[in-house]
Amino acid sequence: EAQVTQNPRYLITVTGKKLTVTCSQNMNHEYMSWYRQDPGLGLRQIYYSMNVEVTDKGDVPEGYKVSRKEKRNFPLILESPSPNQTSLYFCASTELGVSTDTQYFGPGTRLTVL
Amino acid sequence: GQQLNQSPQSMFIQEGEDVSMNCTSSSIFNTWLWYKQEPGEGPVLLIALYKAGELTSNGRLTAQFGITRKDSFLNISASIPSDVGIYFCAGQKNSGGSNYKLTFGKGTLLTVNP
Repeated sequence: EAQVTQNPRYLITVTGKKLTVTCSQNMNHEYMSWYRQDPGLGLRQIYYSMNVEVTDKGDVPEGYKVSRKEKRNFPLILESPSPNQTSLYFCASTELGVSTDTQYFGPGTRLTVL
Repeated sequence: GQQLNQSPQSMFIQEGEDVSMNCTSSSIFNTWLWYKQEPGEGPVLLIALYKAGELTSNGRLTAQFGITRKDSFLNISASIPSDVGIYFCAGQKNSGGSNYKLTFGKGTLLTVNP
């Protein structure tokens, strides 16, 4: 079954404590992306990756890092989380060169930073 | 980053009624997408539109890609309780080799009264 998985699904943490949200896809997709969803703002892209070792900033990259050492994994790293990073995070993946109806979203990670 | 103007923000309707929502942008997109999000889940693609003027249906859902490529609408006919959710429009610029970023509207919250 085609899947994008995220872990953890829920996380409550404190300001400054480094955390990583994992994302994994089993579809051999080249392209992966992270979005955050906030009330009244819709989804905004944080970072994206076109392939292994190729990453770039989206619209709201401040305070986040990513890495893409393997094709299937695209972790989102918050080195020093702050309360304004409290949000719902979604990972997505798609195969390059085909229509966008192959873009899959993960189930989301709800992060609260106290 | 740019966002799309999606309206209405919310709708409260009776079962059986038709629903219409739309998105507009100040810039051109090459692809328009409509997603539905249910509580606790990631967005799920409903309809993808690839050509200006295109009208596409998926069951009771119909969406159109505006001629100017700066707008799109989604209609739901004969609504049922399971149509409840947040509907998002998304545009993609699809430039070859570049970010496949989706630019999202802020969403339309649909409530259907049985």
